[in-house]
Amino acid sequence: NAGVMQNPRHLVRRRGQEARLRCSPMKGHSHVYWYRQLPEEGLKFMVYLQKENIIDESGMPKERFSAEFPKEGPSILRIQQVVRGDSAAYFCASSAGTSGNNEQFFGPGTRLTVL
Amino acid sequence: GQQVMQIPQYQHVQEGEDFTTYCNSSTTLSNIQWYKQRPGGHPVFLIQLVKSGEVKKQKRLTFQFGEAKKNSSLHITATQTTDVGTYFCAGPGRGSTLGRLYFGRGTQLTVWP
Repeated sequence: NAGVMQNPRHLVRRRGQEARLRCSPMKGHSHVYWYRQLPEEGLKFMVYLQKENIIDESGMPKERFSAEFPKEGPSILRIQQVVRGDSAAYFCASSAGTSGNNEQFFGPGTRLTVL
Repeated sequence: GQQVMQIPQYQHVQEGEDFTTYCNSSTTLSNIQWYKQRPGGHPVFLIQLVKSGEVKKQKRLTFQFGEAKKNSSLHITATQTTDVGTYFCAGPGRGSTLGRLYFGRGTQLTVWP
């Protein structure tokens, strides 16, 4: 029973490039969440998606960041024109239902380094 | 906006000592969840508390949910080196943010052998 999968695990980009982070939720899960974590800090909520819909993107910067969860395929977090401040660990989580009442299962994360 | 606060941010204990982390929410919660993240790892779900005043135990870990459903605690008895990590509490949003969890900043536990 595969858990939440994320790839790549490590990603290095130069300033100005694009970063694409992928997340495949657990089988049967249709709710996906993206978080950002800086070293020694907590989890900062970015966006909550269900299949083909963005439910809550209140935590996502208005510019350069976008997320999608298409009908087929993984969820994608896209960061355009990366800057050094984007360096962080990005975690994806999924749940069977709305996470208000359901635990979230986290993926191993993508560590993004911007040179 | 809704906030979940945790204290302390860091705790260093010697193996065998007890450890407690406290979580406070700015709003009443329908439930509270606890997660553990090992160094270099990802958060892993530990438990969910739902009822006012609820107490749950997992071996040496004791979780409490306050009577007002605004605070919670995690207590570890006789810590071991395997307890090292960061412990997060999280509560669900309300209204337009119902679907998401608000995480506390976490308490980073270090255990010296």
